[in-house]
Amino acid sequence: DQQVKQNSPSLSVQEGRISILNCDYTNSMFDYFLWYKKYPAEGPTFLISISSIKDKNEDGRFTVFLNKSAKHLSLHIVPSQPGDSAVYFCAARGPNQFYFGTGTSLTVIP
Amino acid sequence: EAGVAQSPRYKIIEKRQSVAFWCNPISGHATLYWYQQILGQGPKLLIQFQNNGVVDDSQLPKDRFSAERLKGVDSTLKIQPAKLEDSAVYLCASSLELASGTEAYEQYFGPGTRLTVT
Repeated sequence: DQQVKQNSPSLSVQEGRISILNCDYTNSMFDYFLWYKKYPAEGPTFLISISSIKDKNEDGRFTVFLNKSAKHLSLHIVPSQPGDSAVYFCAARGPNQFYFGTGTSLTVIP
Repeated sequence: EAGVAQSPRYKIIEKRQSVAFWCNPISGHATLYWYQQILGQGPKLLIQFQNNGVVDDSQLPKDRFSAERLKGVDSTLKIQPAKLEDSAVYLCASSLELASGTEAYEQYFGPGTRLTVT
């Protein structure tokens, strides 16, 4: 039972444009959401997070938006850079553990 | 600050053999996690420790998997005997403490151990 879903396995964006990565979840009890970035042969690294009491959190080029009524969050990267090419995972915090999506592979084309 | 260390990085074994993975978390991090990541999927939690106590092991296949965290620092994950479907990357992560209330602490991941069972 996949409680966190990333329905786009891959995304390609031109350098300088906006990248939008999406994530949907099913459990209304999730209270915290995180985005991780993963390069090949490395472990995921934390990127940005948002509490369920907020609807937006911004950190430099990265902004996460949360729509609780739709159980949807998105990560915006503006402007996109070639170094952003990686796999992005969203994660949601349940009562005792975190649930991860299946990831979206982002390719930023120079 | 040193990151989460894992060894080995790669392991190839035959089915029914045993294997063990080691993890050294970031110094001072009370919470340690083991995840299994099968190709094309997101990480799935196997077990979570706070200091040397188990917080959650509901998704650990206890007939073949075991884990321990001695003295609340290093941890080992063992598979005995291995099956073909255990082929995956095993990720160890640590965080300052177990998330509670409305706060959550980011997890720091190690590079993972890629296990291939043939």
